[in-house]
Amino acid sequence: DADVTQTPRNRITKTGKRIMLECSQTKGHDRMYWYRQDPGLGLRLIYYSFDVKDINKGEISDGYSVSRQAQAKFSLSLESAIPNQTALYFCATSDRPNQPQHFGDGTRLSIL
Amino acid sequence: QQQVKQSPQSLIVQKGGISIINCAYENTAFDYFPWYQQFPGKGPALLIAIRPDVSEKKEGRFTISFNKSAKQFSLHIMDSQPGDSATYFCAEAGGTSYGKLTFGQGTILTVHP
Repeated sequence: DADVTQTPRNRITKTGKRIMLECSQTKGHDRMYWYRQDPGLGLRLIYYSFDVKDINKGEISDGYSVSRQAQAKFSLSLESAIPNQTALYFCATSDRPNQPQHFGDGTRLSIL
Repeated sequence: QQQVKQSPQSLIVQKGGISIINCAYENTAFDYFPWYQQFPGKGPALLIAIRPDVSEKKEGRFTISFNKSAKQFSLHIMDSQPGDSATYFCAEAGGTSYGKLTFGQGTILTVHP
């Protein structure tokens, strides 16, 4: 089983819909991250959480929200999806600062 | 705003050749510089990382060279193999970004047999 699991793996939806992407991990890490990947732009940080009670905005948080339900679960929501949020989304975890981040296999989201 | 600039955007190398990917950073407070490798359909995975107190780090065929005065670091893949074909990202962390990674734009490497 994967250490960092993202669901769904693929999603196609329409403009204006509410979308939730889920991430769960079995690594026991406190730190969790949500990134967005676009061609030519690399990975950009949306939100991050250093423990269950800590939520922080990243570089591109507008239009997104998150929920840290437990140490192992970190969800990303798009309240009202728009086409320019079409991208590949990754969740990652780490146990300490400046240590390897462990990524899930991503969710490919298309908004029509 | 991305603070690490990566080049080239794509790279084609023959099997057995050397692949070189470069990154330039701005903030001298950064003290952790990893490289991630990503295969299609997968998330990025840490390949190798360096801290600025050393100028070079080698792991197998992969080497990071770090030039603190020029604020540049590069990934060298020796004896490149078709299985190395992937997207490579440099990243940086440290200073006020402690615990957060800022990624470069990515380089798509293709190694021809």
